[in-house]
Amino acid sequence: DAKTTQPPSMDCAEGRAANLPCNHSTISGNEYVYWYRQIHSQGPQYIIHGLKNNETNEMASLIITEDRKSSTLILPHATLRDTAVYYCIVRPPNPNDYKLSFGAGTTVTVRA
Amino acid sequence: EPEVTQTPSHQVTQMGQEVILRCVPISNHLYFYWYRQILGQKVEFLVSFYNNEISEKSEIFDDQFSVERPDGSNFTLKIRSTKLEDSAMYFCASRGTGAGELFFGEGSRLTVL
Repeated sequence: DAKTTQPPSMDCAEGRAANLPCNHSTISGNEYVYWYRQIHSQGPQYIIHGLKNNETNEMASLIITEDRKSSTLILPHATLRDTAVYYCIVRPPNPNDYKLSFGAGTTVTVRA
Repeated sequence: EPEVTQTPSHQVTQMGQEVILRCVPISNHLYFYWYRQILGQKVEFLVSFYNNEISEKSEIFDDQFSVERPDGSNFTLKIRSTKLEDSAMYFCASRGTGAGELFFGEGSRLTVL
């Protein structure tokens, strides 16, 4: 599976957009980019995923570069409850292969 | 919103004892997983289960571990003879067919003394 690189931590002001980068330069053509987060040792929570196109849902937006070597998760209006560890994960295209490989992630702290 | 539920939330056991962690996946899901997270470390895949058999397992999932879906609703992880290093948070997860997301439970914290 392709490896991902994320900054270990970042701060964000409440109400502002949080932009979380992820590098996945070895991603192959059909591997998906997934984002999960983990709030204080709770179970990981799915945020969003994409393949080639940018995606948006009620939680966040995912911007994938044209060469697919990196992506950015955008939390449009961060709240204190968004403080969590955010994981960028590359998943193989096989729909039955869901062995997610969690790295260290980015610890995001939203400050009032 | 449907959710994956796990019991117990915390279990303390003596080394060498058997432990069973229980999970109720989301009702129409067909794929089931166990992950674990040792305190301060990464979330690690243990095993995936589909159609009443293990699909894939990690190196962690040795002969001391087993999984079972004893009825239509529960999915269990058994550790036959616990070791100190089995102390961790164990997360159950499930997903539907073709679904993009994996739903995780809140975890069961296992402490082995």
